[in-house]
Amino acid sequence: LAKTTQPISMDSYEGQEVNITCSHNNIATNDYITWYQQFPSQGPRFIIQGYKTKVTNEVASLFIPADRKSSTLSLPRVSLSDTAVYYCLVGEKARNYGQNFVFGPGTRLSVLP
Amino acid sequence: NAGVTQTPKFQVLKTGQSMTLQCAQDMNHEYMSWYRQDPGMGLRLIHYSVGAGITDQGEVPNGYNVSRSTTEDFPLRLLSAAPSQTSVYFCASSYIRVSGRGEQFFGPGTRLTVL
Repeated sequence: LAKTTQPISMDSYEGQEVNITCSHNNIATNDYITWYQQFPSQGPRFIIQGYKTKVTNEVASLFIPADRKSSTLSLPRVSLSDTAVYYCLVGEKARNYGQNFVFGPGTRLSVLP
Repeated sequence: NAGVTQTPKFQVLKTGQSMTLQCAQDMNHEYMSWYRQDPGMGLRLIHYSVGAGITDQGEVPNGYNVSRSTTEDFPLRLLSAAPSQTSVYFCASSYIRVSGRGEQFFGPGTRLTVL
């Protein structure tokens, strides 16, 4: 079962770099790791996805070590608007067709002024 | 391009009533799914579909039915509403790619209260 484990909550201050680590010990060989962001009263929004080493886009970086049993989402210079819940997902083989994605409780990030 | 749309935004039901939550996408995605999110919790998968005519159960399917007659639409039916079904319901769609590659697009959600 491709479950993930993340810290339940984190606090940071504006302008700091935030790193959220996710553990996925049973990740399958070919599976990608995906991070989503969710604001209150909204659906989750895709942030970044990767398979190995490092991926960077305009909002975040994703670091994946060689054994792929964990990953770290890095948010540079956070602002108050980055206060949200962040979910780490890996694929899970569905009962009959394809793959599903299991959302854990996520990490609630609070950015303070 | 509207993305994923859901109706209604809010709904109040009495115990035992039935209703259908609507979900539509205009991105020609094969994969569509329904999640529920209870207060302070992550999303739990109810049902999903990998194409027209193909649906399957997720983690919490009891009390819900789905069908997929077209690529665009994936309605969720509550058969006999119960207070335990009070939740926010999200619909999502994506292309099907192996190994979880790709992005799921989520709708704005339907907030359902069952009295």
